[in-house]
Amino acid sequence: GENVEQHPSTLSVQEGDSAVIKCTYSDSASNYFPWYKQELGKRPQLIIDIRSNVGEKKDQRIAVTLNKTAKHFSLHITETQPEDSAVYFCAACRGTDDMRFGAGTRLTVKP
Amino acid sequence: NAGVMQNPRHLVRRRGQEARLRCSPMKGHSHVYWYRQLPEEGLKFMVYLQKENIIDESGMPKERFSAEFPKEGPSILRIQQVVRGDSAAYFCASSPGDAGAGTQYFGPGTRLLVL
Repeated sequence: GENVEQHPSTLSVQEGDSAVIKCTYSDSASNYFPWYKQELGKRPQLIIDIRSNVGEKKDQRIAVTLNKTAKHFSLHITETQPEDSAVYFCAACRGTDDMRFGAGTRLTVKP
Repeated sequence: NAGVMQNPRHLVRRRGQEARLRCSPMKGHSHVYWYRQLPEEGLKFMVYLQKENIIDESGMPKERFSAEFPKEGPSILRIQQVVRGDSAAYFCASSPGDAGAGTQYFGPGTRLLVL
């Protein structure tokens, strides 16, 4: 089955700096890669996703890149703000199959 | 359009009791997934269901855990004879199940505490 690894497990940046979180996956048939943000005590919220027919997707300060050959994808947050502080999870799946999540990255943005 | 609903939001059980967690998917969604999140840990897949069918239960413990998604009504995750290690947040997610889809939307979770 799919195995997703996520790095780093914790990340601390100064407000205004960029943050990058990286994930690798094992199943070459995976074709959907979402990113979720989970604030303390809250549900995971989908923030951006990318499908395998696209190499990069951007939404304001958030971007995701996908390298299918290397089987890795990354989340980029620019101009970080304190409210970006949360745990971020990457995931991979095939179509509507069950989703396999990375272990999460705890991002702290220091004001 | 209401989002994914879960109830109860908090559930306290004593060891040996049964826990029933309910999930109502978003309107029009036919696929339901259950995940467990232990404190300070990530989300672990448990089971994937469509109406009246279990598609993948590879993440479910072999004993005490069961899930269903009946033709009418919510999906139910049932834990029999709970133990302290079952204490966790249980999230359900739903997706429309269209071809090329996969986007899952999460409910608020049920936080189970086993005393």
